[in-house]
Amino acid sequence: ETGVTQTPRHLVMGMTNKKSLKCEQHLGHNAMYWYKQSAKKPLELMFVYNFKEQTENNSVPSRFSPECPNSSHLFLHLHTLQPEDSALYLCASSQEGSAGGAAEAFFGQGTRLTVV
Amino acid sequence: GDSVTQMEGPVTLSEEAFLTINCTYTATGYPSLFWYVQYPGEGLQLLLKATKADDKGSNKGFEATYRKETTSFHLEKGSVQVSDSAVYFCALDDYKLSFGAGTTVTVRA
Repeated sequence: ETGVTQTPRHLVMGMTNKKSLKCEQHLGHNAMYWYKQSAKKPLELMFVYNFKEQTENNSVPSRFSPECPNSSHLFLHLHTLQPEDSALYLCASSQEGSAGGAAEAFFGQGTRLTVV
Repeated sequence: GDSVTQMEGPVTLSEEAFLTINCTYTATGYPSLFWYVQYPGEGLQLLLKATKADDKGSNKGFEATYRKETTSFHLEKGSVQVSDSAVYFCALDDYKLSFGAGTTVTVRA
């Protein structure tokens, strides 16, 4: 148990569906992240939130929509996805602010998404 | 931009063998370097880290030394166990975490 909980663990959705992924952290961290993990590719950073404000969006298609209502919760809203969006979506949190980085990121177990 | 390159897998070893996973990085600043491990069905967890040149990170028998002159942070373990089977990620943090592609390691009994 890392203190970061993701639900659901597995999700199968059609291309016309709308679904949401949820992430919750109980570590008191001020930064939360969404990563996409596809087979044989580097981890892709999708979104970063610091103090509930989105600070990074790495050219992610608009069919992925993040929401951070407070510093403990992060959502990823999904709509009209494509089969190539099938992947493991990982949420992470960290305590940012120290100079030079080195803040350890704590990851959830991920949501295995399959788009059919 | 900052990036990490690590050796491609998969790597298959016998128990008690020596493991090395190479990692090199490109960065404009002075990043901190990390190794994360992902066990089957789990998210990533920090294995070890080093924050400046010549620092050695160690944990669970794994070691890695921050080599600025060769821009490397190779992971080593002298005697692996079946329980070390996992995916290993090298990462750097220069105000943003950047990960390598991961190396799958399988240890056979």
